[in-house]
Amino acid sequence: SQQGEEDPQALSIQEGENATMNCSYKTSINNLQWYRQNSGRGLVHLILIRSNEREKHSGRLRVTLDTSKKSSSLLITASRAADTASYFCATDAPDTGRRALTFGSGTRLQVQP
Amino acid sequence: GAGVSQSPSNKVTEKGKDVELRCDPISGHTALYWYRQRLGQGLEFLIYFQGNSAPDKSGLPSDRFSAERTGESVSTLTIQRTQQEDSAVYLCASSPQPSGSPQYFGPGTRLTVL
Repeated sequence: SQQGEEDPQALSIQEGENATMNCSYKTSINNLQWYRQNSGRGLVHLILIRSNEREKHSGRLRVTLDTSKKSSSLLITASRAADTASYFCATDAPDTGRRALTFGSGTRLQVQP
Repeated sequence: GAGVSQSPSNKVTEKGKDVELRCDPISGHTALYWYRQRLGQGLEFLIYFQGNSAPDKSGLPSDRFSAERTGESVSTLTIQRTQQEDSAVYLCASSPQPSGSPQYFGPGTRLTVL
């Protein structure tokens, strides 16, 4: 699989429920970021977690990072219909010298009102 | 200030024609990235500019693709002799630092090659 693979590919929940998305990656990282995309257009940055951090919160978002397992999770609590979007994790790759981020294929979240 | 802007928002062209896509990054952002996103898929890195350094072109899929950036401002992505498989959304992003910081994305250009 590619660097930055999200799981599940699609998730449908009811408003008010929590949504959990997972991301796995292969190489060492300095940081991992989560982005949101509506309707296949521009992405919006949600949260960045550094490799020496294990958990980070931002509003209803909670991100965890386990560098030993090369995995991260994004939890959206008390979901709303407006959270419906695709969510992508993205990693840097300091060992390769590449500066651009590597994005996964995304999790499509549908929140039913 | 304004965010990243891209033009045109939509482009329909015929196979074999050349197209030019434009990106205006956020003022002061030294790093600029181009990505391609095919329908229902993730983002593919195309090219990266950082200040006056040589660009990282390692993601360009063929020699039909090229990009330029004027200083730390506007960038253009050119696709020559377009093919149907070039149909995708082309996204531009900028960031204030080359790594370790969030990227700010434009709305993208949806390219359709008939």
